[in-house]
Amino acid sequence: GESVGLHLPTLSVQEGDNSIINCAYSNSASDYFIWYKQESGKGPQFIIDIRSNMDKRQGQRVTVLLNKTVKHLSLQIAATQPGDSAVYFCADDQGGSEKLVFGKGTKLTVNP
Amino acid sequence: DAMVIQNPRYQVTQFGKPVTLSCSQTLNHNVMYWYQQKSSQAPKLLFHYYDKDFNNEADTPDNFQSRRPNTSFCFLDIRSPGLGDAAMYLCATSRDIQGVSTFGSGTRLTVV
Repeated sequence: GESVGLHLPTLSVQEGDNSIINCAYSNSASDYFIWYKQESGKGPQFIIDIRSNMDKRQGQRVTVLLNKTVKHLSLQIAATQPGDSAVYFCADDQGGSEKLVFGKGTKLTVNP
Repeated sequence: DAMVIQNPRYQVTQFGKPVTLSCSQTLNHNVMYWYQQKSSQAPKLLFHYYDKDFNNEADTPDNFQSRRPNTSFCFLDIRSPGLGDAAMYLCATSRDIQGVSTFGSGTRLTVV
């Protein structure tokens, strides 16, 4: 992921709508990607992951899409709830390294 | 429950006074990470241990050191904290390389 800038992108949705959060990554050799959710004052919490040999993976209410051609990752949240309000980060392994590098993050606000 | 525990949750230290943050895990994971997260920014990796092998990020200041006396514990030492070191410090673990990282709740460091 790319971690640049000091201002988080924001996304505001109505409760019940679907949310789509996007992430660009820079290393074409990146093989493993994770989405994390971080609530205020807490550590990041794992949501879903995907490897580069897949282009889609579904979890409970969440779907991750990977487009390797344009180095883009998205997280779709179905029927967004107020409890989904948080900052969402993508992270990738930078081409099989021992570490995860985080993207910029998006602040999701769900309005009741 | 197996987890990653960081103590304390909040730490206030004086400018230039050494401070140590601690992290423990009951997951028996091989890899432990320390991240620094400033307000509205993504977590930034400082260093990590794979078992006893220490791996420092190239841009981590010398002011930051780490110790891992055993599998369960890892410490972050800040030798001479400056005002710019005020941040949330996150500890994370993963079973192996390219594994999902489990994060602690973080220690918020204030430098006065």
